[in-house]
Amino acid sequence: NAGVMQNPRHLVRRRGQEARLRCSPMKGHSHVYWYRQLPEEGLKFMVYLQKENIIDESGMPKERFSAEFPKEGPSILRIQQVVRGDSAAYFCASSRTSGAETQYFGPGTRLLVL
Amino acid sequence: AQSVTQLDSHVSVSEGTPVLLRCNYSSSYSPSLFWYVQHPNKGLQLLLKYTSAATLVKGINGFEAEFKKSETSFHLTKPSAHMSDAAEYFCVVSDGGNQGGKLIFGQGTELSVKP
Repeated sequence: NAGVMQNPRHLVRRRGQEARLRCSPMKGHSHVYWYRQLPEEGLKFMVYLQKENIIDESGMPKERFSAEFPKEGPSILRIQQVVRGDSAAYFCASSRTSGAETQYFGPGTRLLVL
Repeated sequence: AQSVTQLDSHVSVSEGTPVLLRCNYSSSYSPSLFWYVQHPNKGLQLLLKYTSAATLVKGINGFEAEFKKSETSFHLTKPSAHMSDAAEYFCVVSDGGNQGGKLIFGQGTELSVKP
């Protein structure tokens, strides 16, 4: 039973480029969460999605960041025109239902912006 | 609003001695609390979860945590540390609200284990 999968594991981008991070939830999970871990900081919630719907994006930066979870395929976190401050580890988690259900985390994508 | 405070940013113990990682929470209702562990350059692994069924929660790898409402604490303990326990530990509370239950993380405690 495969866990949460994220790719790529490492991503290097130059300032101004776009970054696309992918997350495939665990089998049977339809709820996806994205978190960001900046250097020397804890994890911060970014966005919560169900299939084809954004439920809570209260943690997303207002500009350049977007997320989707289409009916078919993985969830995508997209960062346009990356800046050095976007360098961080981005973690995806999935759960079977919402509320206080346990969230299972992927290995993360480590983004480095040069 | 929910929040967690991890009282120590770094804890160092000797192998074979007890581990205590401290966490206090703030919640406007009965919280769901978790401890996750993160090894270097890895993802997060769930150690244990409290959801009001029992105040003493047993987790994986010999870890356990006790929910104390009167002290608003959820400290993580292990009787005997192993070298492989060296990692970063996060105390987490679930928002659990109508918006779906985003997790709110503490700042983390780095555990070092000396031989």
